[in-house]
Amino acid sequence: NAGVMQNPRHLVRRRGQEARLRCSPMKGHSHVYWYRQLPEEGLKFMVYLQKENIIDESGMPKERFSAEFPKEGPSILRIQQVVRGDSAAYFCASSPGQAVSPLHFGNGTRLTVT
Amino acid sequence: DAKTTQPPSMDCAEGRAANLPCNHSTISGNEYVYWYRQIHSQGPQYIIHGLKNNETNEMASLIITEDRKSSTLILPHATLRDTAVYYCIVRVEFGNEKLTFGTGTRLTIIP
Repeated sequence: NAGVMQNPRHLVRRRGQEARLRCSPMKGHSHVYWYRQLPEEGLKFMVYLQKENIIDESGMPKERFSAEFPKEGPSILRIQQVVRGDSAAYFCASSPGQAVSPLHFGNGTRLTVT
Repeated sequence: DAKTTQPPSMDCAEGRAANLPCNHSTISGNEYVYWYRQIHSQGPQYIIHGLKNNETNEMASLIITEDRKSSTLILPHATLRDTAVYYCIVRVEFGNEKLTFGTGTRLTIIP
């Protein structure tokens, strides 16, 4: 059973460009969570999605960031007009949606904004 | 989520048992204790979780005190690959609540 797959593993963008980060959850998992980890800092929750629905976006910056989890295909975290402060590791986790189900994490996408 | 308190760092000799403590004195009756670890540059790895009984799996054991105000994660025979930051997290039983990560314990296994 393949784990949570994130791509790309490394992404370099110039200031002002767009970054699209993809997350394919584990087979059978319909719940996806995105986290951000700034250099030398802890993991911060960004957004929680179920198929076609955003459940909790309390950790998402109000501007430039958006997330989706369509009926078909991976979840996408989109960052528009990137700035140097967006440089971080972005982790995706998935769960099957049952109560008391652990979240399983991918190995992240490392975004570098030059 | 209830807060947890962990020591910032610990050392353990290779081959010995590593005992990582966690205080969660304000835990509610419907909150589970979860443990994750993050090895440098990798995504967090799920280790174990429990409500009130002690739990054991192939990776570790989780000992929860009777009053549920604290717990200990035990890695029975630590290896160098167990060097990581370990996070103790409490999470409600129902729904699919997010995990809220604190600062964790940086465990270093000494050869």
